[in-house]
Amino acid sequence: KNQVEQSPQSLIILEGKNCTLQCNYTVSPFSNLRWYKQDTGRGPVSLTIMTFSENTKSNGRYTATLDADTKQSSLHITASQLSDSASYICVVSAEGNKLVFGAGTILRVKS
Amino acid sequence: DGGITQSPKYLFRKEGQNVTLSCEQNLNHDAMYWYRQDPGQGLRLIYYSQIVNDFQKGDIAEGYSVSREKKESFPLTVTSAQKNPTAFYLCASRRGQGPYNEQFFGPGTRLTVL
Repeated sequence: KNQVEQSPQSLIILEGKNCTLQCNYTVSPFSNLRWYKQDTGRGPVSLTIMTFSENTKSNGRYTATLDADTKQSSLHITASQLSDSASYICVVSAEGNKLVFGAGTILRVKS
Repeated sequence: DGGITQSPKYLFRKEGQNVTLSCEQNLNHDAMYWYRQDPGQGLRLIYYSQIVNDFQKGDIAEGYSVSREKKESFPLTVTSAQKNPTAFYLCASRRGQGPYNEQFFGPGTRLTVL
């Protein structure tokens, strides 16, 4: 069964600190993996996309990594800001362009 | 929100009523999607359409219906047959069928059944 699991479910950090969110997947065949940011009450917005041949991809203070062998991805946020408070969703694209969504990690950045 | 609009933002429904959620896009995208989001769960696909006048059931289509009469519009009707309709509904669109083509999401509609 295609699944995407994210951890932790929620996280609270102080402004300026770094954090890392995890994503494990059992999707086959694998096409690509995206990280989305979803602000409360809004639609998700894509942060990064990686294919199986890419190990890392950056978008400003966001850096995603992918290990296709262990089927794990992480999203590292550097020097967090209050505006980083959101849900971060890992999405894996499977055969036939079917998207499998993780439940998300809720991040709260405190001042 | 990438040129996708959803209305209304909040919707309240009495049990037994049908309601229709609007989704419009001006991105000239061929494919459009409806998802349901519940707390603690990943987005689940309700219906999708790859071209005008054609649509396919997703994973949780029961109790929902759609139409695709125009490329820009993909309304979702939540019928009284949907037993637990309270959720956040997201519409998305995508250009073409390439695996790396991004899905752009609308701002969502929160439906509450009273």
